[in-house]
Amino acid sequence: LAKTTQPISMDSYEGQEVNITCSHNNIATNDYITWYQQFPSQGPRFIIQGYKTKVTNEVASLFIPADRKSSTLSLPRVSLSDTAVYYCLVRGRALTFGSGTRLQVQP
Amino acid sequence: GAGVSQSPSNKVTEKGKDVELRCDPISGHTALYWYRQRLGQGLEFLIYFQGNSAPDKSGLPSDRFSAERTGESVSTLTIQRTQQEDSAVYLCASSLGSDLLAGAPDFGPGTRLTVT
Repeated sequence: LAKTTQPISMDSYEGQEVNITCSHNNIATNDYITWYQQFPSQGPRFIIQGYKTKVTNEVASLFIPADRKSSTLSLPRVSLSDTAVYYCLVRGRALTFGSGTRLQVQP
Repeated sequence: GAGVSQSPSNKVTEKGKDVELRCDPISGHTALYWYRQRLGQGLEFLIYFQGNSAPDKSGLPSDRFSAERTGESVSTLTIQRTQQEDSAVYLCASSLGSDLLAGAPDFGPGTRLTVT
């Protein structure tokens, strides 16, 4: 199973853009890159998923270079409510979570 | 529509007792996952069901843990002779299938298990 590495924590301020990079050197050809958000005492919530290049939805953008060995989740203009843990995972048949990145947004 | 539901939301049990945790997946979702999340930690994969295929039990930490699924509906996770290290939130997720194009799994709210 492909393992992922991402920063343990990040700090930001309201209104800033936040980029969280994840490395997944052993990603398989059929794996997708998926990001989840988790608030305290809640289950993870799907944010965005991609295979290559760039994906954008109403919440975030996901940038994936051609070699697919890393990906970057971009959150535009974060607010206090974006304070959460963000998990990057490569999704084949199973769903393996890493340790996540704890994002703290300050006023 | 209704999401993944889990019951109970909280369970306190004494060491050595057996517990059953229930997961009701989204209707029509053939894939179902169980995870464990200890306080302040990431999610540990436990078991995965896909339709009528044999489940992937590779994440179960010991033979005290088992899970069943009735067809493509309810699943129960059973922990026998509970230990204090079993204290955690147990999360269930479901998806339309194991095909990546079926969409990323949706998670339930979890069951918080406390073993005293």
